[in-house]
Amino acid sequence: AQSVTQPDIHITVSEGASLELRCNYSYGATPYLFWYVQSPGQGLQLLLKYFSGDTLVQGIKGFEAEFKRSQSSFNLRKPSVHWSDAAEYFCAVGSPSSNTGKLIFGQGTTLQVKP
Amino acid sequence: DVKVTQSSRYLVKRTGEKVFLECVQDMDHENMFWYRQDPGLGLRLIYFSYDVKMKEKGDIPEGYSVSREKKERFSLILESASTNQTSMYLCASSPPGRRTYSPLHFGNGTRLTVT
Repeated sequence: AQSVTQPDIHITVSEGASLELRCNYSYGATPYLFWYVQSPGQGLQLLLKYFSGDTLVQGIKGFEAEFKRSQSSFNLRKPSVHWSDAAEYFCAVGSPSSNTGKLIFGQGTTLQVKP
Repeated sequence: DVKVTQSSRYLVKRTGEKVFLECVQDMDHENMFWYRQDPGLGLRLIYFSYDVKMKEKGDIPEGYSVSREKKERFSLILESASTNQTSMYLCASSPPGRRTYSPLHFGNGTRLTVT
């Protein structure tokens, strides 16, 4: 069965510091991979997605993620964090054979940004 | 721009009440989803629908039912609300996923408290 693990429940970084949020997945083949962000009081917004091809994908708000098949990982990175990046981040996987768009989400990582 | 609207931002209901959570999307999407979000558990899929009058159980359907009489509207029903159904409920929609696997578009959520 598909599953997603985000090992870090809570991360605190200083503004201007670099960020890496971890995501590991379990799936028989290469899944479709997504990162979503949820700001306080809001629904989820798509940051970026990976379907195939270049394993380094760029997203909105200066985020990027790298797919590593050998590690079953899809970690999210940002070189310099801004205070407005404080939010909850969710990694998700989907099946390429699905026609329903159903996603499996990780537990989420809450990012706190120190001034 | 894509819009998914959940009718209530906050709801407080009593144990045993029948509760309706409404969701409307304006993108003519085929797929609609109800997720439940709890701290430390991420988003868990309750039900989804890939067409009018069609529905499928997600990972945690017990205690819930759904209705989709029109393409744009997907309702989540708690037949007899219980305190363990206190949670944030997120509705999402997407077009058919086989060719494009378009990302989910989320509403802002309904925070339900059952007392």
